[in-house]
Amino acid sequence: DPKIIQKPKYLVAVTGSEKILICEQYLGHNAMYWYRQSAKKPLEFMFSYSYQKLMDNQTASSRFQPQSSKKNHLDLQITALKPDDSATYFCASSQETGGEEQYFGPGTRLTVL
Amino acid sequence: AQSVTQPDARVTVSEGASLQLRCKYSYFGTPYLFWYVQYPRQGLQLLLKYYPGDPVVQGVNGFEAEFSKSNSSFHLRKASVHWSDWAVYFCAVSIPGGNYKPTFGKGTSLVVHP
Repeated sequence: DPKIIQKPKYLVAVTGSEKILICEQYLGHNAMYWYRQSAKKPLEFMFSYSYQKLMDNQTASSRFQPQSSKKNHLDLQITALKPDDSATYFCASSQETGGEEQYFGPGTRLTVL
Repeated sequence: AQSVTQPDARVTVSEGASLQLRCKYSYFGTPYLFWYVQYPRQGLQLLLKYYPGDPVVQGVNGFEAEFSKSNSSFHLRKASVHWSDWAVYFCAVSIPGGNYKPTFGKGTSLVVHP
């Protein structure tokens, strides 16, 4: 059974629209993260959450907003989409935010036209 | 702050040959170190991890890595590469404790020839 679920697997959006990427983890972890991967940047850290609180934000744009409705959920809302936002977005989790190993979801591949 | 460098963007080996993927880190203390593997169109999977202790750590599928404080390195090795090892490998470093996330290298793409 998949331990980290990301939905949808593929997503196509038009420029200027808004999308929400879903992430749920069933590992009992207390920390969750979002990463972005594209041809330009191999693996780019975006956000970290611990116990549903934002711990670190390395995303310059406010168009990216994480949302944590439950401890094991961390969704990513992206507004005013741009073609440069096209990438694969990975959700990850770890037991705590003490630097231990992370577990990654399968990713959502976003294409913005 | 910690950092990690993977000096080889791409490594090509023949099936059955031995493998070493290089990773150098920068941190004044003893960090946590990780190797992750990413197969095509999949997420990253943990291959092995180093927490302070035995410098040689064993991972899945015959992979191992050796921590060297003197060289600030954590190279990944495998005695005999299989075609299924064709993937991208990421080295990561983090600071034990506190609210720190791992810092990832840019990855090394491993190509396996028959």
